[in-house]
Amino acid sequence: EAAVTQSPRNKVTVTGGNVTLSCRQTNSHNYMYWYRQDTGHGLRLIHYSYGAGNLQIGDVPDGYKATRTTQEDFFLLLELASPSQTSLYFCASSGGTGYYEQYFGPGTRLTVL
Amino acid sequence: GDSVTQTKGPVTLSEGTSLTVNCSYETKQYPTLFWYVQYPGEGPQLLFKVPKANEKGSNRGFEATYDKGTTSFHLQKASVQESDSAVYYCVLDASSGSWQLIFGSGTQLTVMP
Repeated sequence: EAAVTQSPRNKVTVTGGNVTLSCRQTNSHNYMYWYRQDTGHGLRLIHYSYGAGNLQIGDVPDGYKATRTTQEDFFLLLELASPSQTSLYFCASSGGTGYYEQYFGPGTRLTVL
Repeated sequence: GDSVTQTKGPVTLSEGTSLTVNCSYETKQYPTLFWYVQYPGEGPQLLFKVPKANEKGSNRGFEATYDKGTTSFHLQKASVQESDSAVYYCVLDASSGSWQLIFGSGTQLTVMP
């Protein structure tokens, strides 16, 4: 069974604060993704990676950094958090792009006050 | 650019009634089309995918036909159950070089017993 875990599951911070969201996958997948989910927008891709040390920009990257330290671990960094970044964040992994299935984690709810 | 438009929710049905969630897409290439489902408190998961035009996909009683002529991929189920209550996303893989997934805005379905 594919497995993607995220931590923390909930996070509250203040405007200007630093936040790191963590994701680990045990699927031996090359690709990992960070999405944000907002009402009326579905899921929007922030950053993705196709291997350790690689980073690709997604559709809504402003205000976010990411780092892929190993094949298993992918981190999303918010260095100066703003209320507009209050959202539900999902990590996913896949064996490739295009028609490959993506496996999602349970999500991290971030609130920026 | 690539885009997906689907039925705006929420949709509320009684058990045993039929479901149609409309989905239309725009793209310059020949995408793979997907339906993902998201149950409360979980990340999205693949319901099924169809990589070729004019073919049908199905799973758990849900089905959709990839209609290249009308650029549609409507989700249907003949008789819904309370356990089908979830958010349904129509998705395509982008025609740009990244081949990443483009999600529709999602349709919230609630099935009443």
